[in-house]
Amino acid sequence: EPEVTQTPSHQVTQMGQEVILRCVPISNHLYFYWYRQILGQKVEFLVSFYNNEISEKSEIFDDQFSVERPDGSNFTLKIRSTKLEDSAMYFCASSGYTEAFFGQGTRLTVV
Amino acid sequence: DQQVKQNSPSLSVQEGRISILNCDYTNSMFDYFLWYKKYPAEGPTFLISISSIKDKNEDGRFTVFLNKSAKHLSLHIVPSQPGDSAVYFCAASAKSRSGSEKLVFGKGMKLTVNP
Repeated sequence: EPEVTQTPSHQVTQMGQEVILRCVPISNHLYFYWYRQILGQKVEFLVSFYNNEISEKSEIFDDQFSVERPDGSNFTLKIRSTKLEDSAMYFCASSGYTEAFFGQGTRLTVV
Repeated sequence: DQQVKQNSPSLSVQEGRISILNCDYTNSMFDYFLWYKKYPAEGPTFLISISSIKDKNEDGRFTVFLNKSAKHLSLHIVPSQPGDSAVYFCAASAKSRSGSEKLVFGKGMKLTVNP
């Protein structure tokens, strides 16, 4: 069964450093998403990506964040200068014309 | 701004009985509703969905009911099994112009099914 895969599963980084979270969406999907879940809180939408551009983004997705689909298969989330409050589980998702399928998540810990 | 609300943080039921998980929403633009199940340290797994043109959708032991006038949906699991123990998220979306769906999640409800 096709699945969304995310790497790494856990990333520890120092405050102020740049991190790149990677995702391989399901191959025939058209829409790609990043969500995050801070420990103990709800899953929050960050950004959606379609046709090689951002289609929607939340207030959380500020200038420190960027997304890219560099090679037609990977979908990346970059955080330029991480802050302590960026520590969370980050989920990538992809969809065709129905429900979104989620990856297993990357746990980002900023120290 | 909680557009999707799951007011009960947890529910405990006996194996074999019915589990009813509730969800309310405020945005009348939502036209597609989904339930996801999540185990610790894993991503949300799609369970069942319903379009706003329907009021019921059934898939095996899982049935989702939608009451648009009340802006309320519920997930029924019958019979409940211990393997159903997980956190259940209600999510809603409105198709954007590009066709992508931004999912708005509720806070989740932890279901425990006791053997």
